[in-house]
Amino acid sequence: EAGVAQSPRYKIIEKRQSVAFWCNPISGHATLYWYQQILGQGPKLLIQFQNNGVVDDSQLPKDRFSAERLKGVDSTLKIQPAKLEDSAVYLCASSLSDGASPLHFGNGTRLTVT
Amino acid sequence: KQEVTQIPAALSVPEGENLVLNCSFTDSAIYNLQWFRQDPGKGLTSLLLIQSSQREQTSGRLNASLDKSSGRSTLYIAASQPGDSATYLCAVSGTYKYIFGTGTRLKVLA
Repeated sequence: EAGVAQSPRYKIIEKRQSVAFWCNPISGHATLYWYQQILGQGPKLLIQFQNNGVVDDSQLPKDRFSAERLKGVDSTLKIQPAKLEDSAVYLCASSLSDGASPLHFGNGTRLTVT
Repeated sequence: KQEVTQIPAALSVPEGENLVLNCSFTDSAIYNLQWFRQDPGKGLTSLLLIQSSQREQTSGRLNASLDKSSGRSTLYIAASQPGDSATYLCAVSGTYKYIFGTGTRLKVLA
């Protein structure tokens, strides 16, 4: 079974620039998550999709972050404009359903904002 | 609001030692608890998942237990090896989403 695919692996941008991350979940997984992990901390949920609908985006900074999951498969997360404090690893995960099924993670995208 | 705590934050042990990592959570209304391993610069690899109705799960040298009433889980690693060096995270699921602890950074010395 192919795992969760993410790209790019690394990205360096200057503050106020924009950036986008892409995620392809495991085939058949209805639920897709985007997490932000700052160095030394546990992952923090940014947004959760069930198919192509948003279940939870309560911790997404909506003035600068946006995400979409067209057709209920691939997803993109965008930051515009980026701030220094957005430097983190952005992890995508998927599961068969929300809450009761195990999470499967991609390798993440390490973002550095200078 | 669910809060997840992992103690200790870091641990260094000699090779061959048996060790226990702890995970505490404040809300016992959970669906399941999952333990992960994270190597530097990598994503999270699932180690064990315990459903809320279960008491423990085992995989090789790993054994995870769950006590919902006390809000605690432990991950037991037997006969530790240098290859076990990584950060170990627990996550609890409830009300649709997973909440993570901050992790325990383990170093096993050869």
